[in-house]
Amino acid sequence: ETGVTQSPTHLIKTRGQQVTLRCSSQSGHNTVSWYQQALGQGPQFIFQYYREEENGRGNFPPRFSGLQFPNYSSELNVNALELDDSALYLCASSIGTSNSPLHFGNGTRLTVT
Amino acid sequence: DAKTTQPPSMDCAEGRAANLPCNHSTISGNEYVYWYRQIHSQGPQYIIHGLKNNETNEMASLIITEDRKSSTLILPHATLRDTAVYYCIVRATGANSKLTFGKGITLSVRP
Repeated sequence: ETGVTQSPTHLIKTRGQQVTLRCSSQSGHNTVSWYQQALGQGPQFIFQYYREEENGRGNFPPRFSGLQFPNYSSELNVNALELDDSALYLCASSIGTSNSPLHFGNGTRLTVT
Repeated sequence: DAKTTQPPSMDCAEGRAANLPCNHSTISGNEYVYWYRQIHSQGPQYIIHGLKNNETNEMASLIITEDRKSSTLILPHATLRDTAVYYCIVRATGANSKLTFGKGITLSVRP
């Protein structure tokens, strides 16, 4: 059974640029969520995708957007990068949208300079 | 905001049981208690979850009080590799079943 994989593992961008992060779900999982974890803090929910549609969103501005593909993989896009966007971005997959545990990847470390 | 309260840190000796407490006094009837841990530079790892009954798996045991206002995660024989930040999370069921993380408790296992 393949777990959640994320790419790239590390990324450095300049303020104002755009970035795309990628996530492959664990086998058999059809729901994907994205979280942002700033240094020293717990992860914060960005949004969730189920059946290729966003079905929940946290307190993040519209420049954070995402996609889910028919194979349940997902992308997180961030436009107009700000210095405060520097964080670990975590992807998690699960089965359905109810009481199935989320399984996380090891994240993408984004640094904005 | 997180609906749980955990002490910031604790330690235990290798080979001994680690008992990690969590308070969730405002938990609702349809909310589960989840535990995750995060080892430095890795993503959170699912440990266990429960609603009202005690639960056990190969990693840990979860003891939930009868009034459901608190719980304890038990690692029966802690090893150095169990050193991590442990998050206790109350999670609702439903269409948007997100996890709301607090600051967690840092467990240090000493040799």
